Amino acid sequence: GAVVSQHPSWVICKSGTSVKIECRSLDFQATTMFWYRQFPKQSLMLMATSNEGSKATYEQGVEKDKFLINHASLTLSTLTVTSAHPEDSSFYICSARSLAGSAQETQYFGPGTRLLVL
Amino acid sequence: ILNVEQSPQSLHVQEGDSTNFTCSFPSSNFYALHWYRWETAKSPEALFVMTLNGDEKKKGRISATLNTKEGYSYLYIKGSQPEDSATYLCAFKEAAGSARQLTFGSGTQLTVLP
Repeated sequence: GAVVSQHPSWVICKSGTSVKIECRSLDFQATTMFWYRQFPKQSLMLMATSNEGSKATYEQGVEKDKFLINHASLTLSTLTVTSAHPEDSSFYICSARSLAGSAQETQYFGPGTRLLVL
Repeated sequence: ILNVEQSPQSLHVQEGDSTNFTCSFPSSNFYALHWYRWETAKSPEALFVMTLNGDEKKKGRISATLNTKEGYSYLYIKGSQPEDSATYLCAFKEAAGSARQLTFGSGTQLTVLP
């Protein structure tokens, strides 16, 4: 199956700093990438959808100025948590899909990034 | 907000036992139902994409069924092995909406005891 990498896998930072997370599709071109967040014992919650070369679409309640998403190429999307605070501590995971339109098309996930803000 | 529920939340079985768990989702505007297996520290692995009412899919000892009219899917594991230990996620995709995002359940955590 298709491989999606995510880096870093762990990050600990001080409150007020910014953290960048990279998501790469290694063996396919991802026209669309998704960013999810998961709090303990909860389900994956979609934060935003990004299409290559255009602005990301954010879900309700997700601050676009806080969570900056860039999808500049067909293999790379980045999520920057700006001025991180302890309440941003969470598990962030990306996924990618190559083509939309087919009911059988699936999303391929990275391994996730655990962020701890002190 | 779409309601996708999985039960049980966690499950312990002995090696060799067969097991099953449930995903329930809205019965209207159905587009697809995805199953993923998620092992600790790894990426969620796509198991099945199910699109038609009555669909049955199989991959080795794992199979899944789909009932879109009543809004549920079952995942079955026959003869569980310790390597089957993982969290199994289902995700619902509805027909409405341009992006057709996945809405996830909170998962069933399976532990297979040797």
